[in-house]
Amino acid sequence: EAGVVQSPRYKIIEKKQPVAFWCNPISGHNTLYWYLQNLGQGPELLIRYENEEAVDDSQLPKDRFSAERLKGVDSTLKIQPAELGDSAVYLCASSPLPGHQETQYFGPGTRLLVL
Amino acid sequence: ELKVEQNPLFLSMQEGKNYTIYCNYSTTSDRLYWYRQDPGKSLESLFVLLSNGAVKQEGRLMASLDTKARLSTLHITAAVHDLSATYFCAVDAVYSGAGSYQLTFGKGTKLSVIP
Repeated sequence: EAGVVQSPRYKIIEKKQPVAFWCNPISGHNTLYWYLQNLGQGPELLIRYENEEAVDDSQLPKDRFSAERLKGVDSTLKIQPAELGDSAVYLCASSPLPGHQETQYFGPGTRLLVL
Repeated sequence: ELKVEQNPLFLSMQEGKNYTIYCNYSTTSDRLYWYRQDPGKSLESLFVLLSNGAVKQEGRLMASLDTKARLSTLHITAAVHDLSATYFCAVDAVYSGAGSYQLTFGKGTKLSVIP
């Protein structure tokens, strides 16, 4: 069974430029998460989707970050414009059922460097 | 605000030795996860602990949960080099900002097993 797929794996951009990350969850997983992981820290939740609906985006900085999950499968996370402090690893995870009682399966992440 | 504290944050141990990683958390929860992360790789689920007194073992690793003390431990027995990685605990609890359940991760314990 294929795991969570993310692309690109690495991205280098200049500040103020836009950037987008893509995630394909495990087939059949209805719940999708985006996390931010800073160096030396644990992941922090940005947004959680149940199918197409964003059910928890309380920690997403909405002034520059946006996300979508059209058709309830793949998802895209966008930053516009990027700032130096956005340099981090962006992780996507999925779980099979709604709610909080399921193990989350993580993708390899996209490592972003903003210059 | 939920706090999840791991200690130690860095651990260098010799092969064949035993050691314990501690995970303390600040709110009521009866669901705790342990993940492993190799450098540049994704997080891999190790254990899910679902109730007070839960104990899980896999190979040289054993995890336990004491919900009354708000403490989980990850015990390493007779360490080998392949166990070198960063280990995260994550607590499943209601995040006050959204009123929904979220995983809150500790900062991770970077384990180096040396011959």
